[in-house]
Amino acid sequence: DAKTTQPPSMDCAEGRAANLPCNHSTISGNEYVYWYRQIHSQGPQYIIHGLKNNETNEMASLIITEDRKSSTLILPHATLRDTAVYYCIVRSGTSYGKLTFGQGTILTVHP
Amino acid sequence: DARVTQTPRHKVTEMGQEVTMRCQPILGHNTVFWYRQTMMQGLELLAYFRNRAPLDDSGMPKDRFSAEMPDATLATLKIQPSEPRDSAVYFCASGLTPDGGWTDTQYFGPGTRLTVL
Repeated sequence: DAKTTQPPSMDCAEGRAANLPCNHSTISGNEYVYWYRQIHSQGPQYIIHGLKNNETNEMASLIITEDRKSSTLILPHATLRDTAVYYCIVRSGTSYGKLTFGQGTILTVHP
Repeated sequence: DARVTQTPRHKVTEMGQEVTMRCQPILGHNTVFWYRQTMMQGLELLAYFRNRAPLDDSGMPKDRFSAEMPDATLATLKIQPSEPRDSAVYFCASGLTPDGGWTDTQYFGPGTRLTVL
């Protein structure tokens, strides 16, 4: 599976959009981009995933560049409860669903 | 709201003792993953079951760890004998995998925090 690079930490003001970047320059054509988050002392939580097109759900939006070498997770109106570690994961479309977690980005939302 | 449950939530034991952790996947899910999380290594996949059959346990130390699914509603992870380096949070996740497909979304339980003295 392709390796991902994320900034170790980011800050965001409550109510503002949080934009979390992820680089995956070695991604191949059948690999999906997944985002999970882990709030302190809890299990990871699925957020969103995509292959080529931008995706949106009730939690977030995922913007994937045309060359697929990077993506951005957008939390449109961050709240204090969005403070968590956010993991960007690239998963092969031919694997059974195995996720390889990196170090992620610690997002801190400030009042 | 369907959730993955794990027991116990916390376990403190002494080196050499047997530890058994249990996971109840979401009803109807046919896939179970076991992960271990430590500060040093982060989240690591230990084992993967589909339809109760172990399909990948390459991440699991074979000499002391074992994972089973006695039935579709119970997955167990056993460590015997336990060692201090096994101290970690162990997460179970479940998902639904169609025939010939892959698990789209994994739903994680709250974890079992294990401390081996």
